[in-house]
Amino acid sequence: AQSVTQPDIHITVSEGASLELRCNYSYGATPYLFWYVQSPGQGLQLLLKYFSGDTLVQGIKGFEAEFKRSQSSFNLRKPSVHWSDAAEYFCAVASGNMLTFGGGTRLMVKP
Amino acid sequence: ETGVTQTPRHLVMGMTNKKSLKCEQHLGHNAMYWYKQSAKKPLELMFVYSLEERVENNSVPSRFSPECPNSSHLFLHLHTLQPEDSALYLCASSLVPSEGYGYTFGSGTRLTVV
Repeated sequence: AQSVTQPDIHITVSEGASLELRCNYSYGATPYLFWYVQSPGQGLQLLLKYFSGDTLVQGIKGFEAEFKRSQSSFNLRKPSVHWSDAAEYFCAVASGNMLTFGGGTRLMVKP
Repeated sequence: ETGVTQTPRHLVMGMTNKKSLKCEQHLGHNAMYWYKQSAKKPLELMFVYSLEERVENNSVPSRFSPECPNSSHLFLHLHTLQPEDSALYLCASSLVPSEGYGYTFGSGTRLTVV
């Protein structure tokens, strides 16, 4: 069965610093991978997704993610974090029509 | 606004009450989902409806009862809940069959059981 691991429960970065959120997946076939963001008290918003092709995927709000099959990873990056990026981030893998989510990483941004 | 609307946004209910959560989408999707999100716990998939038929029921207690009258509407009927049922309940929709489509989520209903 598929699974997703986000090793970091909490991450704190300074505003303007670069960010990388880790995601590792377990899936037998070519994965469909997603990153979602959740602001406090809100639902999940899709940041980006990977189907196939170019392993570097661009998303909204200046985020990107890189698919690395050899490492079973799909890490999310942003070159310069803004205070409004403080939120919880979820990685997910699709199997059929079902999404399996990781446990989430809560991002805090220091002024 | 994501295209998936959940009402009410907040709900406080006693353990003996009966209430319902509503989810509505007009995105042309044909699958809908209920998730429970508790503090410090992963997202828990509760129910899945695909083409208006329930295809997944993840060992959810019978005090939660879903209803999907059509592909645009999904309800979660609640009765005799427990305080540990307090959580954010998220509805999502998607297009099936479409493995890479992903879900569109609503903003959730924050439920407090007193």
